[in-house]
Amino acid sequence: DIVLTQSPATLSLSPGERATLSCRASQSFSGYLAWYQQKSGQAPRLLIYDTSDRAAGIPPRFSGSGSGTDFTLTISSLEPEDFAIYYCQQRSNWLTFGGGTKVEIK
Amino acid sequence: QVRLQESGPGLVKASETLSLTCTVSGGSISSSNYYWGWIRQPPGKGLEWIGSIYYSGSTYYNPSLKSRVTISIDTAKNQFFLKVSSVTAADTAVYYCASWVPTSDNDYWGQGTLVTVSS
Repeated sequence: DIVLTQSPATLSLSPGERATLSCRASQSFSGYLAWYQQKSGQAPRLLIYDTSDRAAGIPPRFSGSGSGTDFTLTISSLEPEDFAIYYCQQRSNWLTFGGGTKVEIK
Repeated sequence: QVRLQESGPGLVKASETLSLTCTVSGGSISSSNYYWGWIRQPPGKGLEWIGSIYYSGSTYYNPSLKSRVTISIDTAKNQFFLKVSSVTAADTAVYYCASWVPTSDNDYWGQGTLVTVSS
């Protein structure tokens, strides 16, 4: 089974700063890598699919990159509404989620 | 716009079967390339995939839950279903139904429903 490990668990940053979130897979996989944002009491919201494609309506400050087993979500300049929990997800015939990275206000 | 809505009991007794329904509106549950699935989130914890059903009818389950989970679909009613048998307190979670196409941003989630397992 593929395990997705996200780091760091918590990222303390100020608005305007750059956020770099990591997602490492236990092995290469043939599926697709996605990133979600979740705010308290809400369902997750798709940000990035197929490693680097932004979902409709997602601002360009969000970008995804990576290949093989190492993937990154970058938020170029944090806005107040970006403080949330972020999950990476492997999507093939089944799903695997990473444990999440909480981006909190410093 | 596809919308999903979970429904079912919010309280289930330990050892019994948890049953949830997801009603789909704004689109057909028979749409090509779509997966329809269930994801849960225990209070204060991360997301756990439970299982999925492909538009063709193929089902896929989380190996850790496979022995207790059944997902089925009713195309006439545009609904799909989750059953989890022999529940324990560890099954207490917000349960989401969702649909997605792996290669696109066609990705839809219900609002989630809290299911509590009582002893």
